[in-house]
Amino acid sequence: GAVVSQHPSWVICKSGTSVKIECRSLDFQATTMFWYRQFPKQSLMLMATSNEGSKATYEQGVEKDKFLINHASLTLSTLTVTSAHPEDSSFYICSANGGRNQPQHFGDGTRLSIL
Amino acid sequence: DAKTTQPNSMESNEEEPVHLPCNHSTISGTDYIHWYRQLPSQGPEYVIHGLTSNVNNRMASLAIAEDRKSSTLILHRATLRDAAVYYCILPPNTGGFKTIFGAGTRLFVKA
Repeated sequence: GAVVSQHPSWVICKSGTSVKIECRSLDFQATTMFWYRQFPKQSLMLMATSNEGSKATYEQGVEKDKFLINHASLTLSTLTVTSAHPEDSSFYICSANGGRNQPQHFGDGTRLSIL
Repeated sequence: DAKTTQPNSMESNEEEPVHLPCNHSTISGTDYIHWYRQLPSQGPEYVIHGLTSNVNNRMASLAIAEDRKSSTLILHRATLRDAAVYYCILPPNTGGFKTIFGAGTRLFVKA
């Protein structure tokens, strides 16, 4: 079946560091991908919609300059957490699907810990 | 956006069937009902989706009410590995296909 690969699985870094997370669709082309953030014991919160070849669409309250999204090809979207601080520590998850009533396929998530 | 309502948690015994309910009274006529589950420390996993009639796959069955205002995910024989948060989801009213997650139902499975 369709697979979405997310890398890295976990990151630990110092405050002020910028961290890049990659999301790849392995066996299908994804013109649209999604980025979510999840805090412990909470549900997934949609951060932004990543559109191939154009700017990402951010949800209300999500800082676009803080969370840079690049979707340069039909199989790769990246999320860069710029100048990360401890409050950015979270579980970040990407997904992709083929259309409105099609199932979404999720990556395994990236656990980000900022010291 | 179309809303779904699920119980916060449910408990089941191992090897017994589990029926996870979801209410979606504002669903539009052409939108599919999707179910996902999330195991601890993993991304969500697709379980099943359907439009009107009941659906079966290797993981579960989906029973959809005739008026489509509710549905039930059925795990025929719960195992300890089925302990997860189960999400019932509809596409957004505003078009497009981003997936918005509610709180879901946390399923506990007892040995």
